[in-house]
Amino acid sequence: AQSVTQLDSQVPVFEEAPVELRCNYSSSVSVYLFWYVQYPNQGLQLLLKYLSGSTLVKGINGFEAEFNKSQTSFHLRKPSVHISDTAEYFCAVSLTGGGNKLTFGTGTQLKVEL
Amino acid sequence: DVKVTQSSRYLVKRTGEKVFLECVQDMDHENMFWYRQDPGLGLRLIYFSYDVKMKEKGDIPEGYSVSREKKERFSLILESASTNQTSMYLCASISSKWAGYEQYFGPGTRLTVT
Repeated sequence: AQSVTQLDSQVPVFEEAPVELRCNYSSSVSVYLFWYVQYPNQGLQLLLKYLSGSTLVKGINGFEAEFNKSQTSFHLRKPSVHISDTAEYFCAVSLTGGGNKLTFGTGTQLKVEL
Repeated sequence: DVKVTQSSRYLVKRTGEKVFLECVQDMDHENMFWYRQDPGLGLRLIYFSYDVKMKEKGDIPEGYSVSREKKERFSLILESASTNQTSMYLCASISSKWAGYEQYFGPGTRLTVT
């Protein structure tokens, strides 16, 4: 079975500073990788996804993530954060073999401060 | 735009009550999911459905059941609500055509059982 680890439960950062949210996964078969964001009192929305091809994936709101197969990681980065990026971020995997079931990490709360 | 709606944003129920959470999607998606979200635990899959009248258990099905009588509607049922079922419940849907699609989420129902 696959699993996802988000080591940082909370990440405080000042506005305009860069940020990296870490995600590691474990799976015996190939996976697709996703980052979702949840703003306060809302559902989840997709930030970006890695399916195949280029290992650097660009998403919405200036976020990007890099797939590293040897380190089984899919870290999320943004070079300069804004107050509006304050939210909870979830990394997730699904099997390439189908089924569309997602396995989520425990989430990272990003708090951007002035 | 894909829209996933949930019948209530906030719900307060008493211990022992039967609780229905409704989810409707408007994109003719085959697959629908119910998750439970708790702080520090991320999203955990309760049940999912690949087609009308079909259901499969997720990771934490105990104390829950589901119903899918129409393609667009997926209901989560708490047969006898307990305080440990106080949580945020999220519904999601996805096309089954291939595994790389994203799941679309509803806004969530915050259920409090007293």
